[in-house]
Amino acid sequence: KAGVTQTPRYLIKTRGQQVTLSCSPISGHRSVSWYQQTPGQGLQFLFEYFSETQRNKGNFPGRFSGRQFSNSRSEMNVSTLELGDSALYLCASSSVPETSYEQYFGPGTRLTVT
Amino acid sequence: KNQVEQSPQSLIILEGKNCTLQCNYTVSPFSNLRWYKQDTGRGPVSLTIMTFSENTKSNGRYTATLDADTKQSSLHITASQLSDSASYICVVRSSGNTPLVFGKGTRLSVIA
Repeated sequence: KAGVTQTPRYLIKTRGQQVTLSCSPISGHRSVSWYQQTPGQGLQFLFEYFSETQRNKGNFPGRFSGRQFSNSRSEMNVSTLELGDSALYLCASSSVPETSYEQYFGPGTRLTVT
Repeated sequence: KNQVEQSPQSLIILEGKNCTLQCNYTVSPFSNLRWYKQDTGRGPVSLTIMTFSENTKSNGRYTATLDADTKQSSLHITASQLSDSASYICVVRSSGNTPLVFGKGTRLSVIA
């Protein structure tokens, strides 16, 4: 069974640009969560989707948005990039968004904003 | 405010030695606590998930303990190996429709 895949793995963008990251969950998983990881802040929750609906959103500005498609694949978009957006963006999937279910993380997308 | 604090921030040990990582949390109400291992440049991988009623859980050389009364957990690594070098992240989930709360991790380096 294939794991969570994220594309691209590495990305370099310039301030002011926008970026779209993609996540394909494990087959059969319908819940996808996105996280931002930086050395100073650790892992921070961005948002969670289940069956194409956003169930939860973290404390990030509106420049960060996401969506989930009918096949459970998810994308996140960051507009008007800032230097502070440089981070590892991780996607995790689970079968359902219940509290006791295991989350499986992808390898992440390393975004560098210059 | 829901928080997870981990200590130490970093740790260096000799191969073959044991070590214990600590996690204190203020998340309430409590649903479960997870320990993840994250190798450099990779996504976190789950080691254990513990619910309120579980005190100890093992996964090979990794043993996690949970004291729900004091809101403390520890991860004990036995007979460390070079491949144990990684960040270990403690994560707590509250009940209901709430996101996970992450600690900042302990960076473990195992040297020969």
